[in-house]
Amino acid sequence: DAEITQSPRHKITETGRQVTLACHQTWNHNNMFWYRQDLGHGLRLIHYSYGVQDTNKGEVSDGYSVSRSNTEDLPLTLESAASSQTSVYFCASSERRAVYEQYFGPGTRLTVT
Amino acid sequence: GNSVTQMEGPVTLSEEAFLTINCTYTATGYPSLFWYVQYPGEGLQLLLKATKADDKGSNKGFEATYRKETTSFHLEKGSVQVSDSAVYFCALMRGTSYGKLTFGQGTILTVHP
Repeated sequence: DAEITQSPRHKITETGRQVTLACHQTWNHNNMFWYRQDLGHGLRLIHYSYGVQDTNKGEVSDGYSVSRSNTEDLPLTLESAASSQTSVYFCASSERRAVYEQYFGPGTRLTVT
Repeated sequence: GNSVTQMEGPVTLSEEAFLTINCTYTATGYPSLFWYVQYPGEGLQLLLKATKADDKGSNKGFEATYRKETTSFHLEKGSVQVSDSAVYFCALMRGTSYGKLTFGQGTILTVHP
């Protein structure tokens, strides 16, 4: 069965370290998204991609970067982790011609100490 | 800009009670509207959607009607079950945003036997 996976599921890191969160989908979807989930804010869009070599900034992109070298993967990098980036991160994907439904991964809980 | 406002939670109900979770939105044009559900420890999954005014989305006993005149998309269920305990997110997608979702803050629902 097609799926979307994230790794690691839990991560603790120190302030200033570079961290990369992985997202892998086997739906063969063109569109991929990264969100962060914080209490009282719902989910907020960090970055998104509509295909290989395409990346775009979302509403809370400062301090984050992504790259899309193939259809299946969209890794999220925190260049220099800050305590304000402690959050739960979700990756999602959707089909180019059926944009309405996004399929979400199980999430990564990141703690920056 | 676009925004979604949900009723403050958490909501606690007894099994078989009637559920309403209010959702209102602000957006230009004619957005599509969604309810996503997040069960404990999981990612979000689409519950229902409506893509134009007066449409009713329905799934698993849940319903929501797209009311353009009141810019609302309230979620209802006639008889909740313990298994409905989850976090519910209202979201919108503008036609020009091509897959990007704007989420409300989420409402925690707990159903007791």
